[in-house]
Amino acid sequence: DVKVTQSSRYLVKRTGEKVFLECVQDMDHENMFWYRQDPGLGLRLIYFSYDVKMKEKGDIPEGYSVSREKKERFSLILESASTNQTSMYLCASSPLGRPNEQFFGPGTRLTVL
Amino acid sequence: AQRVTQPEKLLSVFKGAPVELKCNYSYSGSPELFWYVQYSRQRLQLLLRHISRESIKGFTADLNKGETSFHLKKPFAQEEDSAMYYCALNPGDKIIFGKGTRLHILP
Repeated sequence: DVKVTQSSRYLVKRTGEKVFLECVQDMDHENMFWYRQDPGLGLRLIYFSYDVKMKEKGDIPEGYSVSREKKERFSLILESASTNQTSMYLCASSPLGRPNEQFFGPGTRLTVL
Repeated sequence: AQRVTQPEKLLSVFKGAPVELKCNYSYSGSPELFWYVQYSRQRLQLLLRHISRESIKGFTADLNKGETSFHLKKPFAQEEDSAMYYCALNPGDKIIFGKGTRLHILP
């Protein structure tokens, strides 16, 4: 069974903290994605990656960065968390050339106080 | 501009009644369109894609290029269809999602 896992289901952080969200997939997928999911706004793409050490900005990259040192792992970093980054964060992966066939992780609900 | 529009945030339908979740897109090329679904406490997952012309869990969706629409339909709603539904467009290297429609099936 294919799997995308995220390091935490729930996370509470304080304003100004540096936050790391980890995502691991075991399907040997080249593409990985980070989204945030907010009521009424749907899914918005933050960053994506085609390959190790490659990254591309999505629609809302401001305030975020990413790291992809290994094929199976894609990390989202909030350099200095702010309250407007309180959200559900979803990671996804897909095979090379098939960005539409995305497999999603369970999500991390981040609350920034 | 590439865009996916789902005009309804919430759709309530009685069990056994027909369901239609609306989706319109804006894209200059030849579109690839999909529907994703997220059931309560479950992961977001791919429901169906237009190129395969398949029926999944009784749902179908037809691409209408003239109306730039990709509405999701089911003739008879079931309670287990209650979920969040996202229409999505693939313009190349990523997916553009609509804002989603929450489908609520009334008993």
